[in-house]
Amino acid sequence: DGGITQSPKYLFRKEGQNVTLSCEQNLNHDAMYWYRQDPGQGLRLIYYSQIVNDFQKGDIAEGYSVSREKKESFPLTVTSAQKNPTAFYLCASSIWGPTEAFFGQGTRLTVV
Amino acid sequence: GQQLNQSPQSMFIQEGEDVSMNCTSSSIFNTWLWYKQDPGEGPVLLIALYKAGELTSNGRLTAQFGITRKDSFLNISASIPSDVGIYFCASNRDDKIIFGKGTRLHILP
Repeated sequence: DGGITQSPKYLFRKEGQNVTLSCEQNLNHDAMYWYRQDPGQGLRLIYYSQIVNDFQKGDIAEGYSVSREKKESFPLTVTSAQKNPTAFYLCASSIWGPTEAFFGQGTRLTVV
Repeated sequence: GQQLNQSPQSMFIQEGEDVSMNCTSSSIFNTWLWYKQDPGEGPVLLIALYKAGELTSNGRLTAQFGITRKDSFLNISASIPSDVGIYFCASNRDDKIIFGKGTRLHILP
């Protein structure tokens, strides 16, 4: 079945460590997005990519990095520079540009 | 200017009641999207609106694209327990998709 897959569902890391969240889609979508969700904050855009080998910062990119080497994959690295990394991270994709986006199931990252 | 303001922030209703929520902005948008998120899951697209004045239904859900292009409304008729969750409005500006902070729906037993 076509869809967008995030892994793992739950992730625990020690403070100061970098961690990479996986996002893979087989929908043949050009655009992919990463959002962060905190209680009562809605969805805040971290990074987005409209095409392979190109990506742009969203509203809260500091402390995060991404790559888009393949159309199907858009991994997010949460670096030690991110001051408050514990959150629910959501990946989404859309056919092209900001049209209807489809979401993965999310990764809940807890830093201890 | 690009912020989407959702109201109410939360709602407590009895099963069977109708629900109404809205999303407003000071900016004009060309698309309005409504999503529902269940606890611990990713949001799921409910309805997409592309034309000012458009009224679209999906089962018990009805959404409208405001005529001014600055707002949208979502109505749920005859609510059932599985309607519980967070409802988000979203739209696009430039090459980004932005979201409101959501309306959390609670259904009282």
